[in-house]
Amino acid sequence: DTGVSQDPRHKITKRGQNVTFRCDPISEHNRLYWYRQTLGQGPEFLTYFQNEAQLEKSRLLSDRFSAERPKGSFSTLEIQRTEQGDSAMYLCASSLLTRDLNGYTFGSGTRLTVV
Amino acid sequence: DQQVKQNSPSLSVQEGRISILNCDYTNSMFDYFLWYKKYPAEGPTFLISISSIKDKNEDGRFTVFLNKSAKHLSLHIVPSQPGDSAVYFCAARSFGNEKLTFGTGTRLTIIP
Repeated sequence: DTGVSQDPRHKITKRGQNVTFRCDPISEHNRLYWYRQTLGQGPEFLTYFQNEAQLEKSRLLSDRFSAERPKGSFSTLEIQRTEQGDSAMYLCASSLLTRDLNGYTFGSGTRLTVV
Repeated sequence: DQQVKQNSPSLSVQEGRISILNCDYTNSMFDYFLWYKKYPAEGPTFLISISSIKDKNEDGRFTVFLNKSAKHLSLHIVPSQPGDSAVYFCAARSFGNEKLTFGTGTRLTIIP
């Protein structure tokens, strides 16, 4: 068990460019979550998948954001036409059971800087 | 609307003493509460949780207390150790909802 992997760890992009992040959850976990954390704030929920189905999306996830989990394994989060306000740490997490008593397992995150 | 609040951005405690981190919530639908610990450049790590049917849960040096009437929970760490220095997040969720709502975190520094 290598935990939740996120790639890249850091991304610097120019405003207006598109970026894509990847998350590989723990292999047997069927639930996958995306959160965003800005400076001085706690993580904020973006969306979650059960297997390949995207079951909930936050209103924080504007139409410039799209997430996929095509085969129920890894997931991608794409941000189109990035804005400076998108600069944040993007965290992925996974879990096996509903209401897992041990909470989620988070990855180390992808830090996005939009210049 | 900050539904989970951690009003102390930082806390310093002498090694060996008790650390008490506090968290308040406003949403009465929350029925499960968790504490996460976060080191720099790492994702949050689950520490301890408590269901709303309990008022206390203990795991080694860590104890979480829940006061539902006051909508308040606290994390006690005793004795505090230098490795406990980190940012601690309180989180909550409601029944049937997968989403966690986090507080803004408290940076705990243990002074040797």
